[in-house]
Amino acid sequence: EPEVTQTPSHQVTQMGQEVILRCVPISNHLYFYWYRQILGQKVEFLVSFYNNEISEKSEIFDDQFSVERPDGSNFTLKIRSTKLEDSAMYFCASRLDTGETQYFGPGTRLLVL
Amino acid sequence: DQQVKQNSPSLSVQEGRISILNCDYTNSMFDYFLWYKKYPAEGPTFLISISSIKDKNEDGRFTVFLNKSAKHLSLHIVPSQPGDSAVYFCAASSTQGGSEKLVFGKGTKLTVNP
Repeated sequence: EPEVTQTPSHQVTQMGQEVILRCVPISNHLYFYWYRQILGQKVEFLVSFYNNEISEKSEIFDDQFSVERPDGSNFTLKIRSTKLEDSAMYFCASRLDTGETQYFGPGTRLLVL
Repeated sequence: DQQVKQNSPSLSVQEGRISILNCDYTNSMFDYFLWYKKYPAEGPTFLISISSIKDKNEDGRFTVFLNKSAKHLSLHIVPSQPGDSAVYFCAASSTQGGSEKLVFGKGTKLTVNP
C-alpha cells in the first residue's frame, strides 16, 4: 500500500541553524501539507501546498519557514533559523483530491538545542 | 481557539467491550470528519471518516456517528481489543474551497485491558 515517507526520522540542531525536512508524498496525490505536534499538545496545521504554490498557511508559518516541491516526488519544509520553540514532531501529509482523506507520514522529530 | 474538542483525555475499557470516544466541534463550516489513531513517535494513521451528508459510517469494528445539530461525533469500537490501545484524534475540515486543512482535537488515550 502506498505511503507517505519522511526523512530524517530524527534531527538535532543548534539554535539558529537551518534545517530541511523531507517528505515523499503518495505518488498520485496532488495536495500536500505540513503539520507539527509540540510535545503534549495537539497536532497543528502549518501549511498546505497545491499546484506548486502555497494555498494556505497558519500564523506559525512565518518568514523563517518555506516549502518547496523541487521535483516530482519530494516535498520539503525548510526552517531558516531554528528556535528552541521549533522543537516538535513534524508530519507531512498528502491527499488525492477534494474531499479525500489526508494520509500522514511517520514524522520527523526535531530537537533544537 | 478550540474548534475541535475531545474532552476526555483518557479512556480505559475491558477487552471485548465497547469503546466510545467523543468529539465536539464549533465551526459550522466543517463538513468532513476523520478519526486517526496514533502511537507514540509515529504519524497519525487514518481510521475512518464521515461526510456531513451522512450520520453514520461503519468499517468493520469501527463506526463513526455524526450529530450535526449537536455538532458532535463519536467513534465506537466493538469489540475492543488490546491492540486498539493508542491515542485517538478527531479531526475536521471544510471541503468548500480552501486548503481543506485538518483541525485536530487534543486526543483521547484509549487503553484496552486484557
